[in-house]
Order: sequence, then C-alpha cells, then structure tokens
Amino acid sequence: QQQVKQSPQSLIVQKGGISIINCAYENTAFDYFPWYQQFPGKGPALLIAIRPDVSEKKEGRFTISFNKSAKQFSLHIMDSQPGDSATYFCAASNSGTYKYIFGTGTRLKVLA
Amino acid sequence: DAGITQSPRYKITETGRQVTLMCHQTWSHSYMFWYRQDLGHGLRLIYYSAAADITDKGEVPDGYVVSRSKTENFPLTLESATRSQTSVYFCASRTGRQGPYEQYFGPGTRLTVT
Repeated sequence: QQQVKQSPQSLIVQKGGISIINCAYENTAFDYFPWYQQFPGKGPALLIAIRPDVSEKKEGRFTISFNKSAKQFSLHIMDSQPGDSATYFCAASNSGTYKYIFGTGTRLKVLA
Repeated sequence: DAGITQSPRYKITETGRQVTLMCHQTWSHSYMFWYRQDLGHGLRLIYYSAAADITDKGEVPDGYVVSRSKTENFPLTLESATRSQTSVYFCASRTGRQGPYEQYFGPGTRLTVT
C-alpha cells in the first residue's frame, strides 16, 4: 500500500513534443504529490506539486493531472526541450508523516 | 554557503570498512532524511530525523547507523560496508512546520564499495 508505481522507465521525445509520465498509488491517506527533476550529477529538485483537492496544476510548460478516483497522477511537459532531459520522480506523502514515497523514476531524453 | 551540502562527493572504500557520509544544512530545518538512489529502485529512504537526538528507520535501514547531535548535521555511517551498499546517497531536509512543504536535496555522495 505504500508503493508509488511510475511509468515509463525511460522516454524519448522529439523537441517540441509532449512528454507524459504516469504514477499510481494505493494509499488513500496520501495528500501531497510532488514531482522532482534531477539532472545528472545533481540532487533532485522540486518541479511542481499538487494536492488532491484540485484535478490539475500548471506551471509554465509543466502540468500535473490528478485523478483521485483512479488514484493516478501524471506529469505533462508541453513543448519539450533538450534542456528538459533529466530523470523525473513522482512522490506521494501523507503530510502528517513528513516522509515521501518515491516512484522509481523516468529518464527523459528530448532530441534536438 | 547556504543550503544543504554533502561530503565527500565521491568515495571508494573496501568491503568491511566503516565509512561516514556527512550532511550539513544551514536552514535550521527540523527534518532531515537519508536516501539511496539505485537504478530501478528510485529513491529509497534509509533513515530520517525529526529533530536533534530523534531518529527513525526508513524503508532500507539495515547496515546503516545515523546520529543527530546538532540540528544542522546528520551523518550516515556504514559500519561494515558491503558491495550492495554501492549507491548514490542523498541527504535532504525540510521544515518541521505541518503541511506539504518541500524537501530540499543535497548534491549526493557516490559511494563505491570494492
């Protein structure tokens, strides 16, 4: 019940295309869903996050879609750029515990 | 420098040796975390700490020891390193305030156990 399942494991997208990464969870107590971006040799950094009281959150080219009934959430990167090439992690948290459960990561490569 | 730092950035050690990875943060964050990152497993929590002298196990604590005598430091010790502990280790911190606050990650330590 504590798992967060992330797919795909890797993704190759052409410049200007849409990148979509999906995550699914089981624990209905989770109430915070961040996405982290990690460049090679660096630590993960928060990209965008959502709470289950909204179905979508957009920040620039990055959008989280959240489906509470299906217990799924996804990251959409519009107009993908080579600079978006990185590993993306979804996570889930019950804010009362302060801990994150991370997905296994998606390695995104955007071709120029 | 402000932020969260880790040392060393790279470490090679032999099986059976003790090794300590250091983590320091300048924000006075209450919570600190240690993760390991392995291909196919993502980020897995090893130990975390809610405050000085308060620590608790995460998902994969076996073979690791932590301490937190000061709020700003959270060292991770491998008492007798094994090859399966070859990994990239990340330290993170966050405020102790209730609610959905960000975890800030350090730059990582790449540890190789030969």
